[in-house]
Amino acid sequence: DTEVTQTPKHLVMGMTNKKSLKCEQHMGHRAMYWYKQKAKKPPELMFVYSYEKLSINESVPSRFSPECPNSSLLNLHLHALQPEDSALYLCASSFRDPPYEQYFGPGTRLTVT
Amino acid sequence: AQSVTQPDIHITVSEGASLELRCNYSYGATPYLFWYVQSPGQGLQLLLKYFSGDTLVQGIKGFEAEFKRSQSSFNLRKPSVHWSDAAEYFCAVLPRGGSNYKLTFGKGTLLTVNP
Repeated sequence: DTEVTQTPKHLVMGMTNKKSLKCEQHMGHRAMYWYKQKAKKPPELMFVYSYEKLSINESVPSRFSPECPNSSLLNLHLHALQPEDSALYLCASSFRDPPYEQYFGPGTRLTVT
Repeated sequence: AQSVTQPDIHITVSEGASLELRCNYSYGATPYLFWYVQSPGQGLQLLLKYFSGDTLVQGIKGFEAEFKRSQSSFNLRKPSVHWSDAAEYFCAVLPRGGSNYKLTFGKGTLLTVNP
């Protein structure tokens, strides 16, 4: 089973709202990732967690706050977003040891109004 | 500088025709190599990967890719395209050594399939 699940599938939020994106995998992967993808562009890495600890933050604005409560779950908390944050948010996971092939979830389509 | 290049932004083929999508990379040592496919509004699905060994790798959905070290290329091929193959295709690389987390993607090639 190479499934990564994400909820919700679609999310519309105002600039003053607080919302969360959720990601789950049961493949025993110990690295989990958040990507942002704008239309007609490749995914851009936002955060990486390794063994539930934040390993990489690609200079993401603080209005995005990741959380990894356990080895299967990854959250992305959203607050005071801007319209330009509207995008497809993808979660991925991989084994911690090489060769690190990443498996992606279906994404959450976020619209900020 | 390290980079991944997909020279073709958009390719159109007829159903049943053969397909080749190009990918070139520029890295000091051969990285790990991947092809992903993304249908509209969906996540990325791993088609195949190259780590070492046989330079012709087989993937899912009838796709294959050939690694050519001398050309720094990892081209994706399919002998007969189906309408359901219409999607965006991304080549991606992962450097060997270090933390090995950061996938670098090409800009993608959009495949249109004509009936």
